[in-house]
Amino acid sequence: EAGVTQFPSHSVIEKGQTVTLRCDPISGHDNLYWYRRVMGKEIKFLLHFVKESKQDESGMPNNRFLAERTGGTYSTLKVQPAELEDSGVYFCASSQGGRRYGYTFGSGTRLTVV
Amino acid sequence: AQTVTQSQPEMSVQEAETVTLSCTYDTSESDYYLFWYKQPPSRQMILVIRQEAYKQQNATENRFSVNFQKAAKSFSLKISDSQLGDAAMYFCAYTSISGNDMRFGAGTRLTVKP
Repeated sequence: EAGVTQFPSHSVIEKGQTVTLRCDPISGHDNLYWYRRVMGKEIKFLLHFVKESKQDESGMPNNRFLAERTGGTYSTLKVQPAELEDSGVYFCASSQGGRRYGYTFGSGTRLTVV
Repeated sequence: AQTVTQSQPEMSVQEAETVTLSCTYDTSESDYYLFWYKQPPSRQMILVIRQEAYKQQNATENRFSVNFQKAAKSFSLKISDSQLGDAAMYFCAYTSISGNDMRFGAGTRLTVKP
C-alpha cells in the first residue's frame, strides 16, 4: 500500500509569494489532517478533513492559509501571500478510523520563506 | 487546554543500552489515547506505540515499551537494546475522545552512539 505522499519536499519562496502544498493520503482514508512544525517547537494542528468536508479548521493561523480537498482525495494547502513566520515543516497525515488509532504521516514539506 | 510536554530536547544512548524518554501531559479528560512517534532523518513520522488511557497495562512493541502513570499524567518511552536505527526525533502525542485533534510535544532528539 502506498503511504501518504507530500510534495514538494522542500520549497523556498520569497515573502509575498504564493505556495501550494499537496498531500495525497492513503487510498480509502477519509480523514486527512494538516499539521505544522515551526523550528524547534511542537507540531501544531492546522485542520482536519473528513472526505471533502472541513471537520475542524480551528488551527489555521489566518486567512492567508487556504486548504481544499476536492473530491475527498488529495488535499492542497495554499499560503498566499507567504510571510517569514510561515516557515516550517508542514505535515499531512491520514487515517481511516480516526485519530484514536494514530495517523500515517507523510514526509512533510519544508517551507522556507525568505 | 490539553498540553504535552517533553522536557528533554536531546538524549543520547550507547548502542545496546536502554534509554527512557519522558513525556507529561495535562488534561481534564478521563478517556484518551497517547502515542509515541518516531521521525528518522528521512522525515516521515512513524507510529511507534499507542496506549489507551483506560487500560492499566503498559503497551509494548518489541524493544519499545511505555511506563504509563495516569495519575501523574506521565507517559515515558523506554527503548531497550538501542540500535543505530533508533536515532531519530521522538514525539509524544495525546488525543482525547471528545476533542478533534492530536496534540504533540516539542520532540526529543535521540542520538545512538556506536
